[in-house]
Amino acid sequence: DQQVKQNSPSLSVQEGRISILNCDYTNSMFDYFLWYKKYPAEGPTFLISISSIKDKNEDGRFTVFLNKSAKHLSLHIVPSQPGDSAVYFCAASVTGNQFYFGTGTSLTVIP
Amino acid sequence: ETGVTQTPRHLVMGMTNKKSLKCEQHLGHNAMYWYKQSAKKPLELMFVYSLEERVENNSVPSRFSPECPNSSHLFLHLHTLQPEDSALYLCASSQDVQRYEQYFGPGTRLTVT
Repeated sequence: DQQVKQNSPSLSVQEGRISILNCDYTNSMFDYFLWYKKYPAEGPTFLISISSIKDKNEDGRFTVFLNKSAKHLSLHIVPSQPGDSAVYFCAASVTGNQFYFGTGTSLTVIP
Repeated sequence: ETGVTQTPRHLVMGMTNKKSLKCEQHLGHNAMYWYKQSAKKPLELMFVYSLEERVENNSVPSRFSPECPNSSHLFLHLHTLQPEDSALYLCASSQDVQRYEQYFGPGTRLTVT
């Protein structure tokens, strides 16, 4: 059974608007979360992380929000740019243990 | 070369063949990983190596045999694979197994015929 789920396989957003990518998890013991971005024919690249002691982490145009009670995290990209078009994976772990990945959301930013 | 490299990028093999996937990291990391990504499925961790020692083996069939001769190189030896083993195989590295940011290679697209 999947412990990390990304229920939206794809998302299209107009350039300049906000992109919101969602991720749900089932294991309440998870305490560290990552987002990766993947372009075609390349491996995933680390984007941003958040630990369970925080509910928000920001890095430039990217912000990750964590709602522990809902077991939900989201990645906000604002403003969205065409170069942000990629597949985004969320991943979660219990400290020191393996990461569990979602199936990814393909983001298309329309110029 | 920088980052994590993988060769070959594409591989087609028959079920009776023996082949190897190679991964090399140029980041000075101590931990290396093999992941499998099948279509429409999440990344699955296969093996973890820390300082050339295998620290995790996630119930992977014995037809997949990893080898880590040093902290910069990781191999995945393949023999008598099944068509359902066709997938993207990704190698990753991190500073150590406790450091969370993993750096991925581009992957090897494997097709078993």
